[in-house]
This record gives sequence, C-alpha cells and structure tokens, in this order.
Amino acid sequence: AQSVAQPEDQVNVAEGNPLTVKCTYSVSGNPYLFWYVQYPNRGLQFLLKYITGDNLVKGSYGFEAEFNKSQTSFHLKKPSALVSDSALYFCAVRDILGNTPLVFGKGTRLSVIA
Amino acid sequence: DVKVTQSSRYLVKRTGEKVFLECVQDMDHENMFWYRQDPGLGLRLIYFSYDVKMKEKGDIPEGYSVSREKKERFSLILESASTNQTSMYLCASSMNTGELFFGEGSRLTVL
Repeated sequence: AQSVAQPEDQVNVAEGNPLTVKCTYSVSGNPYLFWYVQYPNRGLQFLLKYITGDNLVKGSYGFEAEFNKSQTSFHLKKPSALVSDSALYFCAVRDILGNTPLVFGKGTRLSVIA
Repeated sequence: DVKVTQSSRYLVKRTGEKVFLECVQDMDHENMFWYRQDPGLGLRLIYFSYDVKMKEKGDIPEGYSVSREKKERFSLILESASTNQTSMYLCASSMNTGELFFGEGSRLTVL
C-alpha cells in the first residue's frame, strides 16, 4: 500500500529565511513523488515532481525538493521564504508500476512572517 | 492553458437532497478523479475513472456515485445528502503518468 506522512501540521518561518516542509513516503516499488500548493479557497496547484534522474528537483516559484531513497523522503525547500509562500502544502506519491491514483499527505500549513 | 472546471464553487443543500457536482476538463485527459478535503484529513479519494463509462471506487465511496458518459466530464452524485458530507470537493484530471490538474473546488454545505 502507498502512504505519505507529513509530520508537521504547521511550519512557521521568518521572511527571508530558508524553509523546509517535510515528507516521507512508503511504496512497494519505486515512487513518483509530487508537491502541490493550495491557497485559500482554491484548488491545488502543481509545484514539482520527481519521476527519475537527478535527486534534486526544481519547480515553480523557486521551490525545490530532494529525493532521498534511503530515507524515503522528499522534503520541499526554498532558500528564501516570501510572505506570499504562506499556504497549505501537500506531498503525494504513487508507485511507478501500474496506474494507481495519487495518495496525498494530510498537508502542512506554512506561515511566513514578515 | 489547461483547465478543469467545476460547475459550482459554493452550494448549500438540505439533508436528503440529491446533489450533482459537475467537472469538465479540456485537456483530453484519460483519467479523472474526485477527492474530498477536510481539515486535518487531507485529500481522500472518493471515485476515479480511467476511461469513459468506467469507474473505480476510491477510499471513501460510501454515499457517493459517479458518472462518466463523455471523456471530458466526470460527475459526482450524492444520492441523499447528509450533514457529514459537508466538505470541499476537488475534481482533478491527468494523463497516465503525469501530475494531476485540479479544479477550483466546490464547497458543499449540507444543512
């Protein structure tokens, strides 16, 4: 079975500081991994994905994520946070094999304080 | 620009009413999905479809049904709405290996 854990419900960071939103996953084979962002009363927007290749993936709005197979993690990072980055962030995973739907984590609320 | 359109952003219904949530995508995607989103629970998959007239149950299908008569349209039906179905409903579509594209969501309140 596939699963995703986002261990932090809330992350607070000062504007200009680096941010990390954590995600760990479990799949039986190799993973497809995704990050999405949700602003208030909106749908989810795609940020980035890892399928294969370089472990460091760059995405939209200056975000990046690092795939770590040994730790089964896919943490989202940004070198310098903006107040406008404040939103709800979701990590998602599915197994490469087959065509099973994405499984989402419970989400982490990021607050960037000016 | 790719687009997934959910027909209603906000709905208020009464217990026992039949509710239709419509979703249309213009990307010729094979796959379509309905999730519900509740605080602290994240996104939970209700139903999905990989082809026209095909449907599969997700993790929480009870109390819901779906219809996919055309490739671009995937409807979620609440046969008899209950208060515990008050939620945000999110429709999404995708190609077979790609990321999901989401609609703006439909916030349903059942009184």
